[in-house]
Amino acid sequence: QQQVKQSPQSLIVQKGGISIINCAYENTAFDYFPWYQQFPGKGPALLIAIRPDVSEKKEGRFTISFNKSAKQFSLHIMDSQPGDSATYFCAATVSGGYQKVTFGTGTKLQVIP
Amino acid sequence: AAGVIQSPRHLIKEKRETATLKCYPIPRHDTVYWYQQGPGQDPQFLISFYEKMQSDKGSIPDRFSAQQFSDYHSELNMSSLELGDSALYFCASSPTPGGRGSDTQYFGPGTRLTVL
Repeated sequence: QQQVKQSPQSLIVQKGGISIINCAYENTAFDYFPWYQQFPGKGPALLIAIRPDVSEKKEGRFTISFNKSAKQFSLHIMDSQPGDSATYFCAATVSGGYQKVTFGTGTKLQVIP
Repeated sequence: AAGVIQSPRHLIKEKRETATLKCYPIPRHDTVYWYQQGPGQDPQFLISFYEKMQSDKGSIPDRFSAQQFSDYHSELNMSSLELGDSALYFCASSPTPGGRGSDTQYFGPGTRLTVL
């Protein structure tokens, strides 16, 4: 059973457009939600992360929106660029250290010129 | 900045052979995690170590074992390899649990294991 559900599975966006990826979780013990970016053949790289006491976090062109009551969170990539083309994973874990990260199923983003 | 180092980067083995994957965490990180990622799949947690002790265990087959050494590097030992073990194996590290930044796991470049 996928504990973190992610959609869409794939996404094609025009250069300069907004890419939106949505995730939902069930386990209310999760209290740290990182997003990872992965290029083919590479390891997942931390992009941005949020905790449930914050409804929005922005870093450059990347924004996470968090809805604790709905147990949903999303990633918005503003002014999407071809270099953003990668697979994006939302994830969740329990804070405190040495807890496994539970990943969503991934979204393959393609930004076309 | 120093990152997680994994070796080898690529490994080709025959069925029923054994394989050893190595992971060197970021300096001053004492917690190590292993994940397996099949083609088109999300990474699945295998096992983790803190201060040389196993801290959590996921869907790791009994044919696999791992340990963490005194210098905090870790090795994943895989025996009686099966075709289905072909995957990317990632190691991640994080700082001391409860400490600053300990919730974030930093992933290595992975080892691509191919079992023929």
